[in-house]
Amino acid sequence: GQNIDQPTEMTATEGAIVQINCTYQTSGFNGLFWYQQHAGEAPTFLSYNVLDGLEEKGRFSSFLSRSKGYSYLLLKELQMKDSASYLCALLDDYKLSFGAGTTVTVRA
Amino acid sequence: DTGVSQDPRHKITKRGQNVTFRCDPISEHNRLYWYRQTLGQGPEFLTYFQNEAQLEKSRLLSDRFSAERPKGSFSTLEIQRTEQGDSAMYLCASSLDTTSEQYFGPGTRLTVT
Repeated sequence: GQNIDQPTEMTATEGAIVQINCTYQTSGFNGLFWYQQHAGEAPTFLSYNVLDGLEEKGRFSSFLSRSKGYSYLLLKELQMKDSASYLCALLDDYKLSFGAGTTVTVRA
Repeated sequence: DTGVSQDPRHKITKRGQNVTFRCDPISEHNRLYWYRQTLGQGPEFLTYFQNEAQLEKSRLLSDRFSAERPKGSFSTLEIQRTEQGDSAMYLCASSLDTTSEQYFGPGTRLTVT
């Protein structure tokens, strides 16, 4: 198994920054994805890391360190609409293996 | 194209009944995936199609589950003799190739009573 671990819940204030960590134990994978999922809706793609380093997409950035088995998703300038579950997933050939997700609550 | 669509969005059935779900992927995507998601968990991989060929079926899928993609376009997932443990959200996704992002449909929420 890949043992993907994420914190269960995080709370932050509107306008702040939140960092969601994801750790995993696996021997190899093609890349690491981050998805956002609002309650009752489908996961939507946020970011994808293949190589080590930082990928920036607007208010969202994702970082990967393969040697440390670690990734994080950084959400800046938080907005109320960012309240959702954030899923870390490893791509192995064609299969995505997901963590349980981190529920982020943004408070005014 | 409006993305991946799934039908129905909700299904309530009695234990022992058969149910069938449909997924229409993004038209130019020849890879199609089915996942299952239960409350508080991430999606779990069920099966994968490349065009009409089913290339992998997870051990999570018992013999009561069958999936098809007859013409390499839409796909169906059938569950026979449903059990209460089958209650979950069934998600379909598609992608252009195996390393591209997978686009998810809205899911079919199954409740077995």
